[in-house]
Amino acid sequence: GDSVTQMEGPVTLSEEAFLTINCTYTATGYPSLFWYVQYPGEGLQLLLKATKADDKGSNKGFEATYRKETTSFHLEKGSVQVSDSAVYFCALMDNAGNMLTFGGGTRLMVKP
Amino acid sequence: NAGVTQTPKFQVLKTGQSMTLQCAQDMNHNSMYWYRQDPGMGLRLIYYSASEGTTDKGEVPNGYNVSRLNKREFSLRLESAAPSQTSVYFCASSESLRLRNTEAFFGQGTRLTVV
Repeated sequence: GDSVTQMEGPVTLSEEAFLTINCTYTATGYPSLFWYVQYPGEGLQLLLKATKADDKGSNKGFEATYRKETTSFHLEKGSVQVSDSAVYFCALMDNAGNMLTFGGGTRLMVKP
Repeated sequence: NAGVTQTPKFQVLKTGQSMTLQCAQDMNHNSMYWYRQDPGMGLRLIYYSASEGTTDKGEVPNGYNVSRLNKREFSLRLESAAPSQTSVYFCASSESLRLRNTEAFFGQGTRLTVV
């Protein structure tokens, strides 16, 4: 079945550092890929998505590129802020399109 | 602008007790979902409802039942709680099941502990 693997956290960075959170997936066909973010005490929010190979999703300074050749969708941000501290989930939606499969989540902690 | 509202936020149950988690959305969405979140395992789908009057099993349905009471409300029932059901439960909704073209909105979660 489909699966999503994320790097384990926590990831601790200083403010203005470069962020990469790795995500790889296993799925048949051409899934859609998503990054969700969960701030403390809140539910998940969609951060960005990409629906086909080589698409780049971007939002709030975060970017991720759909790489079919490496089955990856790594999340990047050039300069993190303390307010980016949260748990980040990579997810995929298969062609049938009725269930999101989530990775285990990566906690990011940004220190001033 | 409530979005997706879950109640309660916290609950402690004894093994064998029953309870119902409530979820309501005010976005006129057709599809609703119940997920559980366990450390290191991400979110796993328990049940979903494509539209009012329909429900389907997700990845981990055992020990749970659901009711799509109307278009707004989707409840999750634990008939006989077990310690393995200790988790954080999230309700979500979306305009349709076609999540390629729409977005899922999540509630704030219910932290359930079964002792």
